[in-house]
Amino acid sequence: DGGITQSPKYLFRKEGQNVTLSCEQNLNHDAMYWYRQDPGQGLRLIYYSQIVNDFQKGDIAEGYSVSREKKESFPLTVTSAQKNPTAFYLCATSLDPGYEQYFGPGTRLTVT
Amino acid sequence: GQQLNQSPQSMFIQEGEDVSMNCTSSSIFNTWLWYKQDPGEGPVLLIALYKAGELTSNGRLTAQFGITRKDSFLNISASIPSDVGIYFCAGQPITGTASKLTFGTGTRLQVTL
Repeated sequence: DGGITQSPKYLFRKEGQNVTLSCEQNLNHDAMYWYRQDPGQGLRLIYYSQIVNDFQKGDIAEGYSVSREKKESFPLTVTSAQKNPTAFYLCATSLDPGYEQYFGPGTRLTVT
Repeated sequence: GQQLNQSPQSMFIQEGEDVSMNCTSSSIFNTWLWYKQDPGEGPVLLIALYKAGELTSNGRLTAQFGITRKDSFLNISASIPSDVGIYFCAGQPITGTASKLTFGTGTRLQVTL
């Protein structure tokens, strides 16, 4: 069954802890993206990767880190340096950069 | 980053009515995409537009790529309760990185019986 999986669906962390969000795809897409969504707002790009072993900062990369060691996987780490980490995090993929993007189901992170 | 102006912000309609929403930008776009998002879920791609003036349908949904390349429209005909959700437009600016989409802030649609 092809698609994009994000786990877990809900994540709770204490302030000061790093947390890693998973994104896996079996669509054989080259490009992968991480977005953040806050209530009543559009999507903001955190990081993106156009190819394995390469990634670029998006509009709000501060306090986040990523890796792209495999084509299928693009994990996002929310570090303790991120001032307001509580949000809904969405992973997306596209066949190639510039093509339409497809989204995973999202992970809701709550930091207290 | 830039955000697109999407309107209306929200709308209440009755089942069976037609719906129109639009997205505008001060910049020229290469691509326009329309997504629907249900609460707590990821956005689902509805329609993708790649050429100025292009008109594309997907069931009861019709979207158009504006001739000026600075706007796009989405119409839903004969709305049904499952059309409830938030509709986002997204576009790829003609300048800048091919990978980066710009998103609208969404139109929240509520359908009453």
